[in-house]
Amino acid sequence: EIVLTQSPATLSVSPGERVTLSCRASQSISSNLAWYQQKPGQAPRLLVYGASNRATGIPARFSGSGSGTEFTLTISSLQSEDFTIYNCQQYHDWPLTFGGGTKVEI
Amino acid sequence: EVQLLESGGALVQSGGSLRVSCAASGFSFSVYAMTWVRQAPGKGLEWVSSISGGGRNTNYADSVKGRFTISRDNSKNKLYLQMNSLRAEDTAVYHCTKEAANWGENWFVSWGPGTLVTVSS
Repeated sequence: EIVLTQSPATLSVSPGERVTLSCRASQSISSNLAWYQQKPGQAPRLLVYGASNRATGIPARFSGSGSGTEFTLTISSLQSEDFTIYNCQQYHDWPLTFGGGTKVEI
Repeated sequence: EVQLLESGGALVQSGGSLRVSCAASGFSFSVYAMTWVRQAPGKGLEWVSSISGGGRNTNYADSVKGRFTISRDNSKNKLYLQMNSLRAEDTAVYHCTKEAANWGENWFVSWGPGTLVTVSS
């Protein structure tokens, strides 16, 4: 099973700041990685797929990069609605797996 | 607009059975693979099971293999998850998700709000 490790678990930042979230895979997954945003009590929302492709309707301030085992999600300028939890997911191999999540807080 | 709406969640006793459903609309249902993802209270996301557009291909997490069965009725635009031999650790919100393609592009483009399954021991 491919294990995804997200860091940090919690990130404390201010509105307007640039943040970088990390997701590390236990083995190479090429670019088969997606990122999701999840707000409390809501279903997750797809942000990025293929490591760097923004999903439909996602603002340009969100960008993904990386390949192999190291991936990042960058939010260029945090807006108030961005303070929530972010998850990565690999689809390189079965079983599909998620990271433990990073919480971005004020 | 893609809409996914789960139903059927309930409180059941350990060892019991339950079937949850997902009604899909706003897209050509039979063209896309569908997946169940669950989230236990206060925990992270866990992939449960996936099924291809035509229903021929399925996959299961080891934690549910042999106990859960995923199926779909493309004539009704519905996805199902039959859960048997339920355990306390199956307690979670179960989300229905639409994948990006028929099979092999296993990221989750759309999500339903979920249905809560609680297993009492």
